[in-house]
Amino acid sequence: AQSVTQPDIHITVSEGASLELRCNYSYGATPYLFWYVQSPGQGLQLLLKYFSGDTLVQGIKGFEAEFKRSQSSFNLRKPSVHWSDAAEYFCAVGAPSGSYQLTFGKGTKLSVIP
Amino acid sequence: GAVVSQHPSWVICKSGTSVKIECRSLDFQATTMFWYRQFPKQSLMLMATSNEGSKATYEQGVEKDKFLINHASLTLSTLTVTSAHPEDSSFYICSAPRRNTEAFFGQGTRLTVV
Repeated sequence: AQSVTQPDIHITVSEGASLELRCNYSYGATPYLFWYVQSPGQGLQLLLKYFSGDTLVQGIKGFEAEFKRSQSSFNLRKPSVHWSDAAEYFCAVGAPSGSYQLTFGKGTKLSVIP
Repeated sequence: GAVVSQHPSWVICKSGTSVKIECRSLDFQATTMFWYRQFPKQSLMLMATSNEGSKATYEQGVEKDKFLINHASLTLSTLTVTSAHPEDSSFYICSAPRRNTEAFFGQGTRLTVV
């Protein structure tokens, strides 16, 4: 069965600092990979996705993620964090069939210090 | 703007009553929609897959008779929590995949059973 591990439950960074959120997955093949952001009491917004091709994916709000097959990882990065980036971030995997039935990690809460 | 609308955004109900949550795709048709449940400070867990014109597919451990799903049209899926109890209190989120793009999430419904 597929699974997603986000090893960091809570990360605190200073505004302007760089950010990396870790995500590792377990899947029989190369899945579709996603990063979502959730503000308190809200739904999820897609930051970026990887299906195939270039392993460095650019997303919205200045985020990027790199797929590393050898490490089964899909880490999210941002070079300079803004206070508005404070939220919960979820990594997710989906079947390469494109069904969009997703398995989510437990999430990483990001706090930003002004 | 939102492409998937979920209503209500929050609801409080008495124990033993039923609550209906709607999920609508606003500008596209979705033959499949997904219902997730999110406990406080935890990840999203897939409850069921809603299929237009056929029965929903439930994940293991989800009570079909408690969580009734109806996919009445290509733009509407409903989740009815029947005979709700306090342990059903949670955040429920739907998603609707738009072909070849992404799965869009509703805003979520905070259910509190008292």
